[in-house]
Amino acid sequence: ILNVEQSPQSLHVQEGDSTNFTCSFPSSNFYALHWYRWETAKSPEALFVMTLNGDEKKKGRISATLNTKEGYSYLYIKGSQPEDSATYLCAFPTGGGNKLTFGTGTQLKVEL
Amino acid sequence: GAVVSQHPSRVICKSGTSVKIECRSLDFQATTMFWYRQFPKQSLMLMATSNEGSKATYEQGVEKDKFLINHASLTLSTLTVTSAHPEDSSFYICSARPQGNTEAFFGQGTRLTVV
Repeated sequence: ILNVEQSPQSLHVQEGDSTNFTCSFPSSNFYALHWYRWETAKSPEALFVMTLNGDEKKKGRISATLNTKEGYSYLYIKGSQPEDSATYLCAFPTGGGNKLTFGTGTQLKVEL
Repeated sequence: GAVVSQHPSRVICKSGTSVKIECRSLDFQATTMFWYRQFPKQSLMLMATSNEGSKATYEQGVEKDKFLINHASLTLSTLTVTSAHPEDSSFYICSARPQGNTEAFFGQGTRLTVV
């Protein structure tokens, strides 16, 4: 059974704070690491697909880094806004990259 | 990005009845779709891989006779929860990946409550 773990489970920050959370995954047989944002009552939305050790990807105020040797990825949000409130999921593909094993997610709430 | 539509978003049914959930890829063809289930405070768990024109592949511990999957066309997969019981109450969500894409696209999910 694959273990994909995320921490913290939940996070409350004030508007303007920067924050980060962690996804840890098996370091052997690495294929890729996905990050998704899941807002309430909406579909999960892909943020990043990371494949290379040392990779850093950025989308606006959100960025992510990847360490495949030690099996972790960090997601950073700079200057959090209320619209960033969502559950952030990471997922580890297996089965040739088609099946996704998800972490339990980090639930972020950004307060005014 | 690509769009996956799932219907219904919410359903309440009586114990013993069957419920069908539809998953459609609106702007791409999907030979493969995936069905996940989420229990409270747990992660999305893959139930089965739906294959167009052939049998679905079920994950270990998922009853294929309880969760019937049909993928009759390149844009539609259905999940039927047969003879539903209260323990089948859960959140079900589908996904599909356009060919050549690395990311998956998800439906909106279905909240099933069996009373």
